[in-house]
Amino acid sequence: NAGVTQTPKFRVLKTGQSMTLLCAQDMNHEYMYWYRQDPGMGLRLIHYSVGEGTTAKGEVPDGYNVSRLKKQNFLLGLESAAPSQTSVYFCASSYPRTSGRARETQYFGPGTRLLVL
Amino acid sequence: GENVEQHPSTLSVQEGDSAVIKCTYSDSASNYFPWYKQELGKRPQLIIDIRSNVGEKKDQRIAVTLNKTAKHFSLHITETQPEDSAVYFCAPYRAGRGSTLGRLYFGRGTQLTVWP
Repeated sequence: NAGVTQTPKFRVLKTGQSMTLLCAQDMNHEYMYWYRQDPGMGLRLIHYSVGEGTTAKGEVPDGYNVSRLKKQNFLLGLESAAPSQTSVYFCASSYPRTSGRARETQYFGPGTRLLVL
Repeated sequence: GENVEQHPSTLSVQEGDSAVIKCTYSDSASNYFPWYKQELGKRPQLIIDIRSNVGEKKDQRIAVTLNKTAKHFSLHITETQPEDSAVYFCAPYRAGRGSTLGRLYFGRGTQLTVWP
């Protein structure tokens, strides 16, 4: 049981390049989230998903797109990277519906450190 | 949305002392109150949580207290150890409304340093 995993761990991009961050979870969670963490800012929600094929915007969605084609995967895309997107990105998941556990408790992946030059 | 404030932003204590971090929130619809610990370069990890129908919860050296009327909850760490050094985040959960999903709102974090 790997929990929540993220790929890649670290990436350097040039301004204007694109990339996709992959999040995978093996806990059969319904909900998945993408956050970014900047110094002194806590974690801010970018996008989230309440199920396969559904996504919604969080508080800082501009410049990002997401997709959830499979329940266990949640992808975060940057179409044209900007230096302001330099950050650490965390994926999280929650709500194992069939286990009866609470939906509020989120489990985080190890993070992806992104540097945009 | 929810307005979350954490105090202090930094806290230094001597090993063995107690540490208290306070989190205030604005939305009375919040009904779940977790604390996350994040060590340097690691992921946030849930260390303790409390629901709105409970006033206090303890787990060994850590405890969380909730004052729903005043809209604040606090993390208490007793007999601190150097391995408690980390950034601690509160993240009150505001229940969903209509089509809006319930979600966590993270504070900006408190850097706790425990000196041996």
